[in-house]
Amino acid sequence: EVQLVESGGVVVQPGGSLRLSCAASGFTFDDYTMHWVRQAPGKGLEWVSLISWDGGTIYYADSVKGRFTISRDNSKNSLYLQMNSLRTEDTAFYYCAKEGGIYYGMDVWGQGTTVTVSS
Amino acid sequence: DIQMTQSPSSLSASVGDRVTITCRASQNIGSYLNWYQQKPGKGPKLLIYGASSLQSGVPSRFSGSGSGTDFSLTISSLQPEDFATYYCQQSYSTLRTFGQGTKVEIK
Repeated sequence: EVQLVESGGVVVQPGGSLRLSCAASGFTFDDYTMHWVRQAPGKGLEWVSLISWDGGTIYYADSVKGRFTISRDNSKNSLYLQMNSLRTEDTAFYYCAKEGGIYYGMDVWGQGTTVTVSS
Repeated sequence: DIQMTQSPSSLSASVGDRVTITCRASQNIGSYLNWYQQKPGKGPKLLIYGASSLQSGVPSRFSGSGSGTDFSLTISSLQPEDFATYYCQQSYSTLRTFGQGTKVEIK
């Protein structure tokens, strides 16, 4: 079964750091570009970051650039999001997603993990 | 960044109705447009990719059309399980963006 499972979401104070993980199974992980997408409470989807199959191409949304770092370990079929200098507006549900290809959309999503930034 | 604007933001419809949601891009994105469905407490589900291609396993009552800057998602006969929020998303730019969502509610 193709599956993505996120973990690492907790409550953290403003200015703090956190690392999210996403474990992939059921597909050849190192064939695909991966994304992080977040959803603030009661709001819509916001794309956060992408990483190419080999980690050689990385992009970030302006809202997180310079604070978040995406990475992957293909030997462990895992995707990561290091989140530093967290702000209250980073409070959201964070999803990892597999992209089938630039033309094919994000075809597999995890169940998400909750990050709450609060003092 | 490419801005994606959906309309309407919400709509009320009855089972069996034909429903159309539109999505406009702030610049030409060719056919690099995808549609997702999200139900409360769940991750999004890909419905349509490449503007008009139906994702495997998605019922044929869902269809997509458009190219360039104007796109639409149509549900030909609304079913009870279709009440959800729908998002468009462009993959033309390396900085992916989503529309703000359209919530389809029961009339």
